[in-house]
Amino acid sequence: AAGVIQSPRHLIKEKRETATLKCYPIPRHDTVYWYQQGPGQDPQFLISFYEKMQSDKGSIPDRFSAQQFSDYHSELNMSSLELGDSALYFCASSPAVAGSYEQYFGPGTRLTVT
Amino acid sequence: AQSVTQLGSHVSVSEGALVLLRCNYSSSVPPYLFWYVQYPNQGLQLLLKYTTGATLVKGINGFEAEFKKSETSFHLTKPSAHMSDAAEYFCAVSNQAGTALIFGKGTTLSVSS
Repeated sequence: AAGVIQSPRHLIKEKRETATLKCYPIPRHDTVYWYQQGPGQDPQFLISFYEKMQSDKGSIPDRFSAQQFSDYHSELNMSSLELGDSALYFCASSPAVAGSYEQYFGPGTRLTVT
Repeated sequence: AQSVTQLGSHVSVSEGALVLLRCNYSSSVPPYLFWYVQYPNQGLQLLLKYTTGATLVKGINGFEAEFKKSETSFHLTKPSAHMSDAAEYFCAVSNQAGTALIFGKGTTLSVSS
């Protein structure tokens, strides 16, 4: 079965640089979520999109922005990177089915800021 | 506000022994509850979920969990541990479709032979 695709899988950036993470949801999934997981931490919700509109917002820094495109893929843009942004970034998607609450996670993008 | 507490950051069992990972939640509305497993350097895989209906839910790999409203608990069990069950387990809660999952701090399960 098709899964959530994230690219790149690994990314190394220097402080103050920018980064763009991409997420391709499972086909026919219309909601995309972004989570950040620091080393040894639980995933923290950043932001979500439903039908290309922002649907929920968590602890996303102002330096980060995201959007969902017409083909439902999503991009997380991160600027002025800081050492503390080093983390695993997960994208998840959920299906456009009434009463469907589960989220399916991608493999993650490991961002290292040096 | 919702929250999840996982009791025990590390659980160790012998192969073939019972696995019990504890999860308690706090929610002002009927919760939707999930267990996810994460293997090293991998994404989160859904083990099982509770939304409505039967309070005992069965998931993949022989795991099951029981929703107990009176105890605000959703503990994960497996009758017989296997070496391949060694991983990080996260309990999560949400209150409606399309909203964020709130995760517990996770429990690392170790299985010894």
